[in-house]
Amino acid sequence: AQTVTQSQPEMSVQEAETVTLSCTYDTSESDYYLFWYKQPPSRQMILVIRQEAYKQQNATENRFSVNFQKAAKSFSLKISDSQLGDAAMYFCAYRAKTGANNLFFGTGTRLTVIP
Amino acid sequence: DAMVIQNPRYQVTQFGKPVTLSCSQTLNHNVMYWYQQKSSQAPKLLFHYYDKDFNNEADTPDNFQSRRPNTSFCFLDIRSPGLGDAAMYLCATSRAGPGYYEQYFGPGTRLTVT
Repeated sequence: AQTVTQSQPEMSVQEAETVTLSCTYDTSESDYYLFWYKQPPSRQMILVIRQEAYKQQNATENRFSVNFQKAAKSFSLKISDSQLGDAAMYFCAYRAKTGANNLFFGTGTRLTVIP
Repeated sequence: DAMVIQNPRYQVTQFGKPVTLSCSQTLNHNVMYWYQQKSSQAPKLLFHYYDKDFNNEADTPDNFQSRRPNTSFCFLDIRSPGLGDAAMYLCATSRAGPGYYEQYFGPGTRLTVT
């Protein structure tokens, strides 16, 4: 079964600084998707960034980028120039490429941004 | 704006008293999902509908049922809530077919069981 592990329950960062959130996963599949979702307090979960496993190039979305290490099964999220609005719970998630569209989530990292 | 709506946002029910949570979407997506998210835990898929086809996860308790009367609406019924069912319940939707389709989440319903 697929498992996703986020070993940092909480992280904090100074406004305008950079922070990296860690995620590891376990799968026997060779092709799959990995995601980072953001869940602000009392608001819905939204997709931050997506990575396809067969693509070697790391995905980037504005201030958000990932470091995808397929052999190590590691998928970290880097947030540059952190803003107060980045404060949220961040979930790493996995989805197989074929079959059901089920997402497997990690337990999340709560990010605090310090002004 | 097109979106996923969940009602109510907060629900309190008594131990053993049936409760229904509601989800609606204006995205016209084929697939609707229900996730359970307990405090400090990962969201866990309970079941999903692909159009009218119901797909139950193997470890979802029989106490949890779902209905999808039409494309727009999906309900989660908890027949006899226990204290362990207190959680945030998330509804999500996506398109379906070959390739990748993003899941869009609602804001969740926080269920308290007294």
